[in-house]
Amino acid sequence: QQQVKQSPQSLIVQKGGISIINCAYENTAFDYFPWYQQFPGKGPALLIAIRPDVSEKKEGRFTISFNKSAKQFSLHIMDSQPGDSATYFCAASKRGGGADGLTFGKGTHLIIQP
Amino acid sequence: NAGVTQTPKFRILKIGQSMTLQCAQDMNHNYMYWYRQDPGMGLKLIYYSVGAGITDKGEVPNGYNVSRSTTEDFPLRLELAAPSQTSVYFCASSISRNTEAFFGQGTRLTVV
Repeated sequence: QQQVKQSPQSLIVQKGGISIINCAYENTAFDYFPWYQQFPGKGPALLIAIRPDVSEKKEGRFTISFNKSAKQFSLHIMDSQPGDSATYFCAASKRGGGADGLTFGKGTHLIIQP
Repeated sequence: NAGVTQTPKFRILKIGQSMTLQCAQDMNHNYMYWYRQDPGMGLKLIYYSVGAGITDKGEVPNGYNVSRSTTEDFPLRLELAAPSQTSVYFCASSISRNTEAFFGQGTRLTVV
């Protein structure tokens, strides 16, 4: 059972455009929702994270929108740049009990065309 | 600070061989994790530790073992390598639950 569903699998956006990646989760025990960015040959690195007490968080060109009732959250990259080309993973973790660590989506391969 | 250091970066194993993937962090983090990443599948948690002497299974622990004798080190042991263990392995650490996890560069393992 996939607990965090991510879409699309791949995405091509023109330079300067808006990149949007969506995730949906099933487990209401999740209370921490980070997005990780991964370049080829590197480990994932935290990009931005949100907790369910807010509906939106913005850091520079990156924004997370969070809809608790729909159990969905999304990453928006404004003014997308070729350097943003990478694989993006949404993730979630629980507030207590059970296995620790992050549950990841399957990833989105983003290409920004110059 | 080096952060999270994994060795080796690459390894080829024959079926049935054993090996240990090393992971060390210098950030004094209590929490450490091992994930495997397969193409198109995201990362899946193998084992985690919340402190020295404490380990627990994640989503995909079969075929692996871990130990945590110090805060800094969290080695992952493969006892009888199988082709299904061909993957990229990432070690990560965080200061506590639900905080930023810092990942190592990964170990690319091929079992033939």
